[in-house]
Amino acid sequence: DQQVKQNSPSLSVQEGRISILNCDYTNSMFDYFLWYKKYPAEGPTFLISISSIKDKNEDGRFTVFLNKSAKHLSLHIVPSQPGDSAVYFCAVRQGGSEKLVFGKGTKLTVNP
Amino acid sequence: GAGVSQSPRYKVAKRGQDVALRCDPISGHVSLFWYQQALGQGPEFLTYFQNEAQLDKSGLPSDRFFAERPEGSVSTLKIQRTQQEDSAVYLCASSLFGVAATNEKLFFGSGTQLSVL
Repeated sequence: DQQVKQNSPSLSVQEGRISILNCDYTNSMFDYFLWYKKYPAEGPTFLISISSIKDKNEDGRFTVFLNKSAKHLSLHIVPSQPGDSAVYFCAVRQGGSEKLVFGKGTKLTVNP
Repeated sequence: GAGVSQSPRYKVAKRGQDVALRCDPISGHVSLFWYQQALGQGPEFLTYFQNEAQLDKSGLPSDRFFAERPEGSVSTLKIQRTQQEDSAVYLCASSLFGVAATNEKLFFGSGTQLSVL
């Protein structure tokens, strides 16, 4: 069964508006959470991360929120730009493990 | 090089053929990972090296899959007697040390797209 779920395969937003991408996980032992961004024909690139001891981490236009009780995290992009159009993967890691477990990804399209 | 380099970029194999996929990590990076990404899925962990030592191979789908990193830098993922279900993008990633201890990020290559006919 999937340990990391990104239930929205795609999302379309208007330039300048907020994009919200969601991710749910099943295992409370996961303690580090990441978002990766992927353009076609390229490998994933790291975007932002958050440790389980925090509930929010901000980096410029990108903010990740973590709700441990709900086992839910989200990525907010404000304001969205056309260059943000890509597939976004949520990834999680369990303490002491080198493995990342990825969701299936959400394809974000930002329309000019 | 500046980033993780993988070759070939595309590989078409006939069912039953053996293939070898190469990964050049970022110079000086201790940790190296292989992930498999099937169409419409997220990357799935295959195996992990710290220098030349393969510390985790729990994600390798079968004994047809073999990975090595003999000198602690370049790595090769070999797939023997390829099957159609092996068709996927194979991603290599590296990090300076390990992600577990330091929460370091992984740097991914562009991948090798393998198509088995």
